[in-house]
Amino acid sequence: QKEVEQNSGPLSVPEGAIASLNCTYSDRGSQSFFWYRQYSGKSPELIMSIYSNGDKEDGRFTAQLNKASQYVSLLIRDSQPSDSATYLCAVLIINTGTASKLTFGTGTRLQVTL
Amino acid sequence: DARVTQTPRDKVTEMGQEVTMRCQPILGHNTVFWYRQTMMQGLELLAYFRNRAPLDDSGMPKDRFSAEMPDATLATLKIQPSEPRDSAVYFCVEEKVGNYGYTFGSGTRLTVV
Repeated sequence: QKEVEQNSGPLSVPEGAIASLNCTYSDRGSQSFFWYRQYSGKSPELIMSIYSNGDKEDGRFTAQLNKASQYVSLLIRDSQPSDSATYLCAVLIINTGTASKLTFGTGTRLQVTL
Repeated sequence: DARVTQTPRDKVTEMGQEVTMRCQPILGHNTVFWYRQTMMQGLELLAYFRNRAPLDDSGMPKDRFSAEMPDATLATLKIQPSEPRDSAVYFCVEEKVGNYGYTFGSGTRLTVV
């Protein structure tokens, strides 16, 4: 089982709709969770972070975390063509005495259609 | 936000040649990671350093890869000899001191022919 799993997609949504991206993780010691957006040929950029159960909203983005189910999701409201990219879920395990380890899923490709 | 600088941006080399990739961390970031990204495997952690000391390089093929941080302004990843399967984009990633933001460098696209 992979440590962080995502559906590779592509996930296709019409402009203006809500895009829902999902991620599951295997290590219950995971403590911090991140969503990165990566445009083709570019570096990943951090768009959301979440540390506790529940929802966290930032503009059109909402991250949701359920540690009991080991599940984290990203909702994008009012999807725009510029949101078309690969979205990477990342999970952080904090180790005392060593650096924290950030593990990535393979990403979900989102296509927002006109 | 300031960008983490990586050089070269693109590198094409022949199998068997040595390749050195460089990363210039932003001052104040005390943990530096090297990741490799391929279509098949996604982002794989190769090695990471805290305060310039290597903490974990278990993700790295030791017989051909080496990672160092000779000073606070430079991290290097070296492959010798390179093989076609090393073709990937290599990212340097920094952890921001004081919070858990991780900043990616611009990446080095390596092609070994």
